[in-house]
Amino acid sequence: GQQLNQNPQSMFIQEGEDVSMNCTSSSIFNTWLWYKQDPGEGPVLLIALYKAGELTSNGRLTAQFGITRKDSFLNISASIPSDVGIYFCAGSPIRAGGTSYGKLTFGQGTILTVHP
Amino acid sequence: DSGVTQTPKHLITATGQRVTLRCSPRSGDLSVYWYQQSLDQGLQFLIQYYNGEERAKGNILERFSAQQFPDLHSELNLSSLELGDSALYFCASSVLAGGSDTQYFGPGTRLTVL
Repeated sequence: GQQLNQNPQSMFIQEGEDVSMNCTSSSIFNTWLWYKQDPGEGPVLLIALYKAGELTSNGRLTAQFGITRKDSFLNISASIPSDVGIYFCAGSPIRAGGTSYGKLTFGQGTILTVHP
Repeated sequence: DSGVTQTPKHLITATGQRVTLRCSPRSGDLSVYWYQQSLDQGLQFLIQYYNGEERAKGNILERFSAQQFPDLHSELNLSSLELGDSALYFCASSVLAGGSDTQYFGPGTRLTVL
């Protein structure tokens, strides 16, 4: 099925560094969501974006919905060890008529490792 | 805690068998979604139910089926299991059915087919 192109696939950083990851798609999306998943657990919603150009923050996390509606990025500032995990972007593709599907299309994930 | 519950947490079974996974959505949510997560395919949408009716279908095999009951809980039935069906199965729920509706995920069921 269709997947979002998420980069980078993995990151190894030092505690205190900032992190940036992004997702791109060939299709227009109505909604962009960013999730974090810990091993053996379900994805936990971090940030939801609903409008092109929207910039939203959640603590040290900031995400933006790209103006073209085909991309989004997530930034984590001043990383800490508990930021370790897999980060997924997800979106709802638009269908004919301008409405969007309820199903989510996921990126491949970014594995984040933070060294103390 | 997302408010979405899934049982069982782990399931080990043999090829050819049939299993049922259960999901209870967050209170007030009418939509339930099922996703499969495997190492090679990532997170893939299987099927969505909204208020008891099938709403959307994704890459769901014919051996798999689902339903949503009047109390809004949902079950995913997997039959004639194969080794490749081993994966994490997640349920998510949202208030409505549209693409702008935020989905909250349950903790998942890890299925191992031996």
